[in-house]
Amino acid sequence: DQQVKQNSPSLSVQEGRISILNCDYTNSMFDYFLWYKKYPAEGPTFLISISSIKDKNEDGRFTVFLNKSAKHLSLHIVPSQPGDSAVYFCAASANWRGSQGNLIFGKGTKLSVKP
Amino acid sequence: GAGVSQSPSNKVTEKGKDVELRCDPISGHTALYWYRQSLGQGLEFLIYFQGNSAPDKSGLPSDRFSAERTGGSVSTLTIQRTQQEDSAVYLCASSFGGTQYFGPGTRLLVL
Repeated sequence: DQQVKQNSPSLSVQEGRISILNCDYTNSMFDYFLWYKKYPAEGPTFLISISSIKDKNEDGRFTVFLNKSAKHLSLHIVPSQPGDSAVYFCAASANWRGSQGNLIFGKGTKLSVKP
Repeated sequence: GAGVSQSPSNKVTEKGKDVELRCDPISGHTALYWYRQSLGQGLEFLIYFQGNSAPDKSGLPSDRFSAERTGGSVSTLTIQRTQQEDSAVYLCASSFGGTQYFGPGTRLLVL
């Protein structure tokens, strides 16, 4: 049973508009969440993270929102740029505080930003 | 600075052969992780090292899979008697108490 779900396999957005990527999780023990971006033939690149004690974290054009009661997080990219076109993975960890836990990944959402 | 490196970048092997995949983590990173990504799937956790010991091997899919880490640095993932379902991208990540940084992966194809 998938603990981290990205229900949209793909998303297409016009350049300059907002991209919203969604992620749902089932394990209430998760206390840290991350977004990774992956280009073809490369490893995932860390983008942004959020701990369970926060509900929002912002870094430039990227903002992650966490709704613990709904077990839902989202990544907002604004404005979207063609270089943002990649596969975005949501990941979660249940053992972050004081140690390093393995990450549980969603299946990814392929974002295409059209010029 | 140098990131996580993995070798080989691609490996084609015949069913039944053994393969060894190598990971060089970022210098100073104490934690090292192996994941794999099969076609159309997310990343699947395999094993985690803290220093040279592996406190979590829960993701290894069968006893054909093993991994070791020496000197708190380089790690090798060994797959014995490879099967076609082992075909995937094998990714290594390292961290120092926080975010995991990934290498480019080894693409394994078992014919």
